[in-house]
Amino acid sequence: SYELTQPPSVSVSPGQTATITCSGHKLGDQHACWYQEKPGQSPVLVIYQDYKRPSGIPERFSGSNSGDTATLTISGTQAIDEAEYYCQAWDSSTVVFGGGTKLTVL
Amino acid sequence: QLQLQESGPGLVKPSETLSLTCTVSGGSISSRDYYWAWIRQPPGKGLEWIGNVYYSGTTYYNPSLRSRLTISLDIFRSQFSLRLSSVTAADTAVYHCARVEGLCSSRSCTGQMDVWGKGTTVIVSS
Repeated sequence: SYELTQPPSVSVSPGQTATITCSGHKLGDQHACWYQEKPGQSPVLVIYQDYKRPSGIPERFSGSNSGDTATLTISGTQAIDEAEYYCQAWDSSTVVFGGGTKLTVL
Repeated sequence: QLQLQESGPGLVKPSETLSLTCTVSGGSISSRDYYWAWIRQPPGKGLEWIGNVYYSGTTYYNPSLRSRLTISLDIFRSQFSLRLSSVTAADTAVYHCARVEGLCSSRSCTGQMDVWGKGTTVIVSS
């Protein structure tokens, strides 16, 4: 079965750039998306179709996808960005989530 | 604005069937542009996709749950439902419903979950 691999945790200082990766075989051949999940809340879509931002998502969130790796980048990270982040793609007609990355803003 | 609301028992006994319903308001469940999904999150763990249903009734299931799973859709009530049989403690989780903006061809699907319900906690215990 298809797997998406994320680092369990990433730390960043306020104002710096956070980079979260998602690896899967030939992931760049399809679209990837990213969700932000804060404690006690439902996940929120922050990036779709590799790099597009839904309405209401700040410009500091950006994405890319090439080769075997999709990347979520948060520029000028703020304390409110501290959350769990999940990538998502497809294996034929089934949805696959990455294991999640805990972003800590120190 | 589209809203999704999960409902169903919060406690289910082992070996019984878990049944949940997601009510869609503020939009059409019969749109050809969307699928409707169930996702769950066990305590302290990540997101697990359960399955999708299309307005036509076509379903896509997580292979690991397929033998126990039924997802259906009721256009008239603007609801879609989940039934998971023979539950164990491993099925304890927060269950979310979501809208999937995407499409499926004969070979593959693509899309993203752009609207989520708040989730409902289901505990499997005697």
